[in-house]
Amino acid sequence: DVKVTQSSRYLVKRTGEKVFLECVQDMDHENMFWYRQDPGLGLRLIYFSYDVKMKEKGDIPEGYSVSREKKERFSLILESASTNQTSMYLCASSLLENTQYFGPGTRLTVL
Amino acid sequence: GQNIDQPTEMTATEGAIVQINCTYQTSGFNGLFWYQQHAGEAPTFLSYNVLDGLEEKGRFSSFLSRSKGYSYLLLKELQMKDSASYLCAVRDLNNQGGKLIFGQGTELSVKP
Repeated sequence: DVKVTQSSRYLVKRTGEKVFLECVQDMDHENMFWYRQDPGLGLRLIYFSYDVKMKEKGDIPEGYSVSREKKERFSLILESASTNQTSMYLCASSLLENTQYFGPGTRLTVL
Repeated sequence: GQNIDQPTEMTATEGAIVQINCTYQTSGFNGLFWYQQHAGEAPTFLSYNVLDGLEEKGRFSSFLSRSKGYSYLLLKELQMKDSASYLCAVRDLNNQGGKLIFGQGTELSVKP
């Protein structure tokens, strides 16, 4: 079974804090993705990565950065959290262009 | 451009059959996925269609017509646990080399 894990299920941060969201997959997948999910807006792609050290901007990269130092781990970084970044963050991985498998999600609240 | 439409909400009765539709407009279609998402949980993969026709998997079936830009997810013998959001997602080769575009999801409520 594919397993994608995320470091926290719930997180509360203050405006201006630096936030790290970690994602780990155990299936040796090349591709990893970070999405945010908001009511009425669906899933929106923030960043993705095809391989170690590689990253590509998705549809809404502003205010975010990512890091992929190891194949199994993909981190999302909010350099200076803002209230409009309160959301559910979902990580996914896939073998090449096949089915994406999602982690359990991190519900981030920025106060 | 890219656009995916699915109904926002649907209600059905336990034991019944429900069909959730999805229409899409993409320039480089390369497959359609259906995911199920229970409240507060991650989406889980249900089905994948890349050729026209029906794919059956137990109580769930998914249909695709590429010429019409149309898919549906059919759920038979509905159970209360089928209450969830159902996401339609399309792979578009002209979208950053084949990234998925998600619809907003259809919230299905199954009532006794």
